[in-house]
Order: sequence, then C-alpha cells, then structure tokens
Amino acid sequence: DTEVTQTPKHLVMGMTNKKSLKCEQHMGHRAMYWYKQKAKKPPELMFVYSYEKLSINESVPSRFSPECPNSSLLNLHLHALQPEDSALYLCASSPWTSGNNEQFFGPGTRLTVL
Amino acid sequence: RKEVEQDPGPFNVPEGATVAFNCTYSNSASQSFFWYRQDCRKEPKLLMSVYSSGNEDGRFTAQLNRASQYISLLIRDSKLSDSATYLCVVPEGKLIFGQGTTLQVKP
Repeated sequence: DTEVTQTPKHLVMGMTNKKSLKCEQHMGHRAMYWYKQKAKKPPELMFVYSYEKLSINESVPSRFSPECPNSSLLNLHLHALQPEDSALYLCASSPWTSGNNEQFFGPGTRLTVL
Repeated sequence: RKEVEQDPGPFNVPEGATVAFNCTYSNSASQSFFWYRQDCRKEPKLLMSVYSSGNEDGRFTAQLNRASQYISLLIRDSKLSDSATYLCVVPEGKLIFGQGTTLQVKP
C-alpha cells in the first residue's frame, strides 16, 4: 500500500459546526503533515507530527486542532471556522522526520465554510 | 528575495515541443530539491528528486546549478497530459514551495 488516503473528499460546514478530517497511511512513515491550499497558491504547512508527537505548529488558529491517534492516522478537528478557511486540506507523510525528505500527499479534502 | 522563485507562466506550448522551467532558491546551503506536479483540483505528486547535479527520467530532466542557485526542469516531446502546475520545492527542515509554473500543452 503506497498511498495516503483522506476522508471525506468534500465537506460543507457552517461556522458553528464541529467536523473532523481524517488521514491514513500504511507505509510505516514516521512523519505526517497537514497543509492548507488556496486556489492558485502552493500548499501552506499547518502542522507536523513526528513519531506521533506534534513537532511543528505554524501558528495555526486554535479553531484547527490536530490529533495523531497512532502512527498510521492523523485527524484535523474543525470548530467555529470562518468562510476564509475554505480551502483544500492536504495530508502528507514522509518516511523520515528531518523535514528534508520527499513527502507523499493524499488527495485532499475540499472544505467549504458557509 | 523569496526563498524559492518560479516564473508562474502560463507556458502555452504545442504538442511535441520542448519546454524548460527555471526555479531559483535563496539558501546556498540547500542540498536537495524536488519537482512536484499538481493537476487542477488534485494533490501534488512527486515528479523528480534532485540530489546532485541533475536527474533524468524519460522525457523529464532536472538540472541543478549550485553556483547560480537555480534548478531547471526540461520536458521534451510535450504531451497533452503534461498540462499541469509544476512546483519547485526546496526542503529546509520543512518543504519550501515555489509559487508553481503552469504549463498548458495544446494540440
């Protein structure tokens, strides 16, 4: 299994809703990432998990809450989002934790906040 | 100066053409580089890694010029399916992305 999977593919939520994005990889990768991507822009790093521990938080607002239940799973909990949070949310994984290695991306969750 | 700079394009080329994109980077200590391809509304996919002077994979060639701090991506015999955005990426403890170069291959 050489892929990163993400669910759901699409999500529409109101500003008062609570929802979660899920990411899974079975490649034994030790680092997992959350990115946010707006149209016609490159991905922006949000969070990095190394060996299931949060190692980087790129000053992301607290309405985004990451969680890593085990080495294969990564969640992103969403609460009280704003319309400007609408974007493609990408999960990625990497075999090593140095941050200098190739990362492999999941297909993303396209989020719309109404 | 931005850490990673790319010409955003778009580059519009006919099928069969050869096209080259350049990417400049600011950190002279950078050791490795990646090219990712991203189709519209899809995720970035790793196209090529560059660890030394260059790399070649079929129609795709990446070349690194450390003295001038740029990496190029050459695509020969362009296909319609090569139409995408090409992201230059420099890892520096985390991936630093260029803004991407858009390629449109026309019949």
